Amino acid sequence: KQEVTQIPAALSVPEGENLVLNCSFTDSAIYNLQWFRQDPGKGLTSLLLIQSSQREQTSGRLNASLDKSSGRSTLYIAASQPGDSATYLCAVAGGTSYGKLTFGQGTILTVHP
Amino acid sequence: NAGVTQTPKFRVLKTGQSMTLLCAQDMNHEYMYWYRQDPGMGLRLIHYSVGEGTTAKGEVPDGYNVSRLKKQNFLLGLESAAPSQTSVYFCASQRQGGSYEQYFGPGTRLTVT
Repeated sequence: KQEVTQIPAALSVPEGENLVLNCSFTDSAIYNLQWFRQDPGKGLTSLLLIQSSQREQTSGRLNASLDKSSGRSTLYIAASQPGDSATYLCAVAGGTSYGKLTFGQGTILTVHP
Repeated sequence: NAGVTQTPKFRVLKTGQSMTLLCAQDMNHEYMYWYRQDPGMGLRLIHYSVGEGTTAKGEVPDGYNVSRLKKQNFLLGLESAAPSQTSVYFCASQRQGGSYEQYFGPGTRLTVT
């Protein structure tokens, strides 16, 4: 059974810092890995999706990497801003033709001015 | 495009009552999913559907039923609500093929007293 772990559970940083969120998974037979953002009381917003054949994806100040063999992904946020404060969720899709997602418990990020 | 919508946004039920949550998507996606999100547990898959008229069990299906009579709608039913079903429920849809990215609705907050 796939298990996804996110470290740290919570992170508080001053504005402007570069930061890294970690995600690990136990079964390397994945189809893709998605990073989501969730604001309090809101739904999930997809940030980046990395296919199993890819090593990284970039969108603006966000960069996500994937090392399938070691079962790890990182989300790098450059020059953090208070508006980045949210919960960040990592989810992996199993190696089947449809992508049932297994989620980590998330990292709560607070960026203070 | 409205994307993925969920009805209702909030609901309070008494133990033993029944209700149906509606998920609708206007992206002509084949696959649809129901998740629940609980503190400390992350999101867990309840049921899913890979096409009109099909449904399958996810990780935590007990106490729930689903139906996919139309491609754009996925209904989640609680026949006899229990306090353990207090949660936030998210629906997601996904296109067949391509990146298999999942798109999430805004969620339904359900409280069972």
